[in-house]
Amino acid sequence: EVQLVESGGGLVQPGGSLRVSCKASGSSLTSYWMHWVRQAPGKGLVWVSRIYTNENNINYADSVKGRFTVSRDNAKNTVYLQMSSLRAEDTAVYYCAAGKDSGAVFAYWGQGILVTVSS
Amino acid sequence: QSVLTQPPSASGTPGQRVTISCSGSTSNIENNFVYWYQQLPGPAPKLLIYRNNQRPSGVPDRFSGSKSGTSASLAISGLRSEDEADYYCAAWDDSLSGVVFGGGTKLTVL
Repeated sequence: EVQLVESGGGLVQPGGSLRVSCKASGSSLTSYWMHWVRQAPGKGLVWVSRIYTNENNINYADSVKGRFTVSRDNAKNTVYLQMSSLRAEDTAVYYCAAGKDSGAVFAYWGQGILVTVSS
Repeated sequence: QSVLTQPPSASGTPGQRVTISCSGSTSNIENNFVYWYQQLPGPAPKLLIYRNNQRPSGVPDRFSGSKSGTSASLAISGLRSEDEADYYCAAWDDSLSGVVFGGGTKLTVL
């Protein structure tokens, strides 16, 4: 079973940058699609990005394309989401999630990390 | 505005059967698998149904999923108080090259 733990959230000013991390334990992530999903306070789930084993397989939601970058370090069993040009509407709990299918399967979830964009 | 459309709320009494719909299009639901997630107050979401109608181990058989054309549905039979949660459908969208979620349905057990 895969356990995922996010870290690196916090308060950042509009226009600023922040990197959140997702470290896995219990299994190697190399055969999993790794996703970032966010949830604004009181709102629904929104998919942000995904990455497969190598960085040739990456997709982004239109709302973050050009501002967010997903990457992974298989040796550290860790996935990252580098967020830049942050806006108030990026304020959310960010979850990392893992699944073996290439579709919308999120079999394992982290506990989520809060990112607040505010001056 | 979510790409997949769900009713914002649903309700039922203990023991009843409740169905939650999820409407999409050819580029998402019709051409790809549908997944359902349950989010109880507080914790992260949990995978409830995968590949349209498959249950992960540990999910009671009271939960079932189906798909027809551009629509999918989640059925919960023998409703229990602990089923009170938010439910989300999700699918890959070929046109957007990304995952799309429904807006979520808040289920209340009366």
